[in-house]
Amino acid sequence: DSGVTQTPKHLITATGQRVTLRCSPRSGDLSVYWYQQSLDQGLQFLIQYYNGEERAKGNILERFSAQQFPDLHSELNLSSLELGDSALYFCASSVVADEQFFGPGTRLTVL
Amino acid sequence: AQSVTQLDSHVSVSEGTPVLLRCNYSSSYSPSLFWYVQHPNKGLQLLLKYTSAATLVKGINGFEAEFKKSETSFHLTKPSAHMSDAAEYFCVVSSDSNYQLIWGAGTKLIIKP
Repeated sequence: DSGVTQTPKHLITATGQRVTLRCSPRSGDLSVYWYQQSLDQGLQFLIQYYNGEERAKGNILERFSAQQFPDLHSELNLSSLELGDSALYFCASSVVADEQFFGPGTRLTVL
Repeated sequence: AQSVTQLDSHVSVSEGTPVLLRCNYSSSYSPSLFWYVQHPNKGLQLLLKYTSAATLVKGINGFEAEFKKSETSFHLTKPSAHMSDAAEYFCVVSSDSNYQLIWGAGTKLIIKP
């Protein structure tokens, strides 16, 4: 158990819908990272927050957004969902600049 | 700019034989390097980490990796494979800015009984 929690574990929705994925980092970790893992694209870094502020952006679509709240939990919002958005979404957290601890992931299925 | 290349997409070994997963990197400075493991239908777990101390790094579950600057390599090894080692392994290098990690494409390790 890494100490990072993600909810929900599974999510099934329809194209065009909007969903919110939630992540609670390990106690004391200020950085939160979001990743997408799909069969065809592999593991893709989406976005990083540090203490409430966006720190780095990766391959995140404009339909996706994220935020980190004062209690350090983070939410990833995915809107206008497409079939291709079906994937595992991981959250990770860290204290030091690079060592990251991963949550169990949220499996999103778009029908 | 940093990059990571995992030289094999799949590696198949027999149980009890040595494991070698190859990783080359490029970096304009002295990087931090990691190996992560992902078991089927599970999250990612840190296996080991190199941060410019000893070049031979020991990790969990009997794995180790050697940092070779001259070869820009960070190969993962284990003397004797176990069935529970079947998983996907990712080699990762830290970015020189913004704390981002650069991920390799992954190597699927298959263990034959």
